[in-house]
Amino acid sequence: AQSVTQLDSHVSVSEGTPVLLRCNYSSSYSPSLFWYVQHPNKGLQLLLKYTSAATLVKGINGFEAEFKKSETSFHLTKPSAHMSDAAEYFCVVSDPASGGSYIPTFGRGTSLIVHP
Amino acid sequence: DAGVIQSPRHEVTEMGQEVTLRCKPISGHDYLFWYRQTMMRGLELLIYFNNNVPIDDSGMPEDRFSAKMPNASFSTLKIQPSEPRDSAVYFCASSLGSPTAGSRTDTQYFGPGTRLTVL
Repeated sequence: AQSVTQLDSHVSVSEGTPVLLRCNYSSSYSPSLFWYVQHPNKGLQLLLKYTSAATLVKGINGFEAEFKKSETSFHLTKPSAHMSDAAEYFCVVSDPASGGSYIPTFGRGTSLIVHP
Repeated sequence: DAGVIQSPRHEVTEMGQEVTLRCKPISGHDYLFWYRQTMMRGLELLIYFNNNVPIDDSGMPEDRFSAKMPNASFSTLKIQPSEPRDSAVYFCASSLGSPTAGSRTDTQYFGPGTRLTVL
């Protein structure tokens, strides 16, 4: 069975400082991993995804994440936070369920707060 | 493509009434998912379909909830009768499964959600 743990429910940073949102996963297979972002009163939007290619994945808006199998982690980073980055971020793991389909499991989310 | 379309965007109803939420997935996508999001429980997968067939409805909370997908371009989630604890944002998402062995689902595309308030 797959699972995902987002280690922080809230992260607060100042504008212009680095962002680190932590995610650990558990999977019996080679999983796909995703980060989604949800701005207030909006649906979820894909930031980036890892599907067994390069371990460092670059996404939209300057975000990137590194897949570390030995640590079962997929942390999301950005060198410099913008006010517009304030949102809820979801880490997602997906591996073959019964029948072979990859069905995603979402983390509880991390709320990123950006101070001026 | 217009993306995943959900209607209505907001629904306010009274306890005991029937509520129907609608979703139009992205054309060509063969997986459709219904989620519920609340502050207390986060994002919960309720049910998903593959090629219009319900595959896993283990996340549906009670018999009051039912979902259908009569064709590839339309799905409904019905709550009957509704209760105040059903108040949440309901999301529909679709994705394209790979034609290779394993039917690997890829990126999910989410609709804007329906905010349901049951009084």
